Amino acid sequence: DGGITQSPKYLFRKEGQNVTLSCEQNLNHDAMYWYRQDPGQGLRLIYYSQIVNDFQKGDIAEGYSVSREKKESFPLTVTSAQKNPTAFYLCASSMRREIGTQYFGPGTRLLVL
Amino acid sequence: DAKTTQPTSMDCAEGRAANLPCNHSTISGNEYVYWYRQIHSQGPQYIIHGLKNNETNEMASLIITEDRKSSTLILPHATLRDTAVYYCIVRSLLNTPLVFGKGTRLSVIA
Repeated sequence: DGGITQSPKYLFRKEGQNVTLSCEQNLNHDAMYWYRQDPGQGLRLIYYSQIVNDFQKGDIAEGYSVSREKKESFPLTVTSAQKNPTAFYLCASSMRREIGTQYFGPGTRLLVL
Repeated sequence: DAKTTQPTSMDCAEGRAANLPCNHSTISGNEYVYWYRQIHSQGPQYIIHGLKNNETNEMASLIITEDRKSSTLILPHATLRDTAVYYCIVRSLLNTPLVFGKGTRLSVIA
């Protein structure tokens, strides 16, 4: 059953703590993306990667970090430098030549305690 | 990429066609129009895209005006499960990422 999985569905972070959100895909897609969504707003791009071991900053990369060691995986770390991390985080993937056609995971909702 | 303008919200009766408009008056010749939708608390779902010809797939139809300054997404027989936020996005093929606005909140009413 092909698709994108994100875990966990809900994540709680204490002040000053780093947390890592998981994103895995078995669609054999080269490109992967992380978006942030705040209530009532559209999606904003955090980071994207078009190939293994390479990634680019999106519009709101400050306070976040990523790695792309495997084609299937693109974890996102929300660092303590991100002062307002409470949001809905969405991971997506696409063929490298079809960036406009992205497949999204179910999302992770991050809450700060 | 060109900016898009969509109504904030729309209602549609179940079983009727839902016509969602999008203005993109500054679109350039190499920019495509993409439509996505997002059901509450889920990830967005790709619906359809087009350049200048009308497009149809199993989910919807996309009508682009001849001057390409606006488009309409048509859901021919809306159901309650079509209630979602619909995003119209304009992008070129030059590897530019998608830019999501606030979209149109479509409510399908029984």
